[in-house]
Amino acid sequence: QKEVEQNSGPLSVPEGAIASLNCTYSDRGSQSFFWYRQYSGKSPELIMSIYSNGDKEDGRFTAQLNKASQYVSLLIRDSQPSDSATYLCAHHAGNNRKLIWGLGTSLAVNP
Amino acid sequence: KAGVTQTPRYLIKTRGQQVTLSCSPISGHRSVSWYQQTPGQGLQFLFEYFSETQRNKGNFPGRFSGRQFSNSRSEMNVSTLELGDSALYLCASRGGTGGETQYFGPGTRLLVL
Repeated sequence: QKEVEQNSGPLSVPEGAIASLNCTYSDRGSQSFFWYRQYSGKSPELIMSIYSNGDKEDGRFTAQLNKASQYVSLLIRDSQPSDSATYLCAHHAGNNRKLIWGLGTSLAVNP
Repeated sequence: KAGVTQTPRYLIKTRGQQVTLSCSPISGHRSVSWYQQTPGQGLQFLFEYFSETQRNKGNFPGRFSGRQFSNSRSEMNVSTLELGDSALYLCASRGGTGGETQYFGPGTRLLVL
């Protein structure tokens, strides 16, 4: 079983819609979770970090963490074509605090 | 505050050669991690250095090595290059007020011919 699983997509949504990205992980001891966005040919950039169960909102982005079910999700409201990118989920695992990455979900927002 | 910088940005080498890539972390960050990214493979973790010591290591052959200097700058070296080493090499730093969040540099794109 992969340590972090994401649907590779592509996920296609119309402009203005809500995009929902999901990530499941296997390490129940994980405490820190991150969502990064990566445009083609560029390096990943942090969108949001979340550490506690529940929702965390930042502008059009909302991260949701459910440790009991071992998933973390990212909602993008009012999706824009500029949101088209690959979204990477990551979390810290184990005592050595290594960051474990998913393979990413490709999102396409259609005008 | 300046971000993570990587040099060079682009590199073309031939099989059998070796290459050294450099990374300067954000000021105050003591942890530097290196990743290899190829199409369809996601981010493959190479190693992490903290205060000049390798703290974590991924599953790469010994041809891949790294080090960190007292000013937290880091280098990674790949010896005896293979065609499959063509990739985007990313460096990320964390620490200081940023806590556990990793901040990435622009990457070095390596092409092995």
